[in-house]
Amino acid sequence: KNEVEQSPQNLTAQEGEFITINCSYSVGISALHWLQQHPGGGIVSLFMLSSGKKKHGRLIATINIQEKHSSLHITASHPRDSAVYICAVSWNRDDKIIFGKGTRLHILP
Amino acid sequence: GEEVAQTPKHLVRGEGQKAKLYCAPIKGHSYVFWYQQVLKNEFKFLISFQNENVFDETGMPKERFSAKCLPNSPCSLEIQATKLEDSAVYFCASSQSREQGYTFGSGTRLTVV
Repeated sequence: KNEVEQSPQNLTAQEGEFITINCSYSVGISALHWLQQHPGGGIVSLFMLSSGKKKHGRLIATINIQEKHSSLHITASHPRDSAVYICAVSWNRDDKIIFGKGTRLHILP
Repeated sequence: GEEVAQTPKHLVRGEGQKAKLYCAPIKGHSYVFWYQQVLKNEFKFLISFQNENVFDETGMPKERFSAKCLPNSPCSLEIQATKLEDSAVYFCASSQSREQGYTFGSGTRLTVV
């Protein structure tokens, strides 16, 4: 059974701070996903990665396959970044996503 | 369109009534997935489709849940004889291929009273 663990569970930071959210998983995967769920409930797919690093605007996602670990970084955080960030993993054989429990991020102005 | 359209946004049913949820995947996306979010951050996989064929249904409570993806129609998830514990947000996601990411719909909040 694959476990997806995220840390921290909750994070409050001041506007402008550099944010790091961590994710670890217990067995090999084909892809790791970072998702954002806003207070209204909608889910946005931020990144899908299987190796290395991806960047989109102020968001950076990295993955270390050997260590079974991924990080999501937010540079120059802003109150609009406040949301739940969810790490999820999938395998080619069946494609369904297993979700972590999420990190609730609150950026204070 | 470029979004996964889920309807309705909210659905209230009395215990024992039927509930039917709909999902129109992005045109050209072959894979459709249904997930149930019971608590704020607890997601449960229900079923996936490759075109109109069931790909994986290991998460479906077989006795009351059923789902279909028919050509030229939105996909549907139906719950017969709803129970209080079925209250959740049901998300649909679609994907173009196994190598692509997923696009999620905005979810249907089902409340069973």
